[in-house]
Amino acid sequence: TQLLEQSPQFLSIQEGENLTVYCNSSSVFSSLQWYRQEPGEGPVLLVTVVTGGEVKKLKRLTFQFGDARKDSSLHITAAQPGDTGLYLCAGATSGTYKYIFGTGTRLKVLA
Amino acid sequence: DADVTQTPRNRITKTGKRIMLECSQTKGHDRMYWYRQDPGLGLRLIYYSFDVKDINKGEISDGYSVSRQAQAKFSLSLESAIPNQTALYFCATSDSAGPRYNEQFFGPGTRLTVL
Repeated sequence: TQLLEQSPQFLSIQEGENLTVYCNSSSVFSSLQWYRQEPGEGPVLLVTVVTGGEVKKLKRLTFQFGDARKDSSLHITAAQPGDTGLYLCAGATSGTYKYIFGTGTRLKVLA
Repeated sequence: DADVTQTPRNRITKTGKRIMLECSQTKGHDRMYWYRQDPGLGLRLIYYSFDVKDINKGEISDGYSVSRQAQAKFSLSLESAIPNQTALYFCATSDSAGPRYNEQFFGPGTRLTVL
């Protein structure tokens, strides 16, 4: 059973546009991570969110953890071709060790 | 130098062959993991190890075995490779100490093709 659903699955946008990727679950997570994976490479950690309602910024990327710690979003402002990649959310449900990855959002930013 | 290395990076083998994928890390982390990635199926956990004497099955361990030879080394074996084991394989590490224990650090991957 997939506990972390990401949307959209695919996104193709022009350089300079804004976008938001969502990561949703019915389970509560003790923390949640976002990773970016480029072709031929392993996922690279972008951020960890821990507290419900937390907002973290990484240059043009803004990450938010839902108040109930069941969902998260990633917003990219003024996307650039270098943002192209597969974005994955992941986390461990509270009270267990079961680390799962979301279904992924494949982003392509066109110049 | 990369913190998590995997060898080989690419491997083509035939059905029935035994192969081993190796992972080494210099991060000093105690936890290590093996995942496979298939198009449309995301990352799935094969095995994980929380320390040298600890080995645990993940969600898709059938057909695979692992060995944790040292804190820094974790190898994955396919005893008798079959075509549906064709996939990208990733090793990852994490540190159980501190509040960021869920963060995982990945190697560059091994692309395995079983003919």
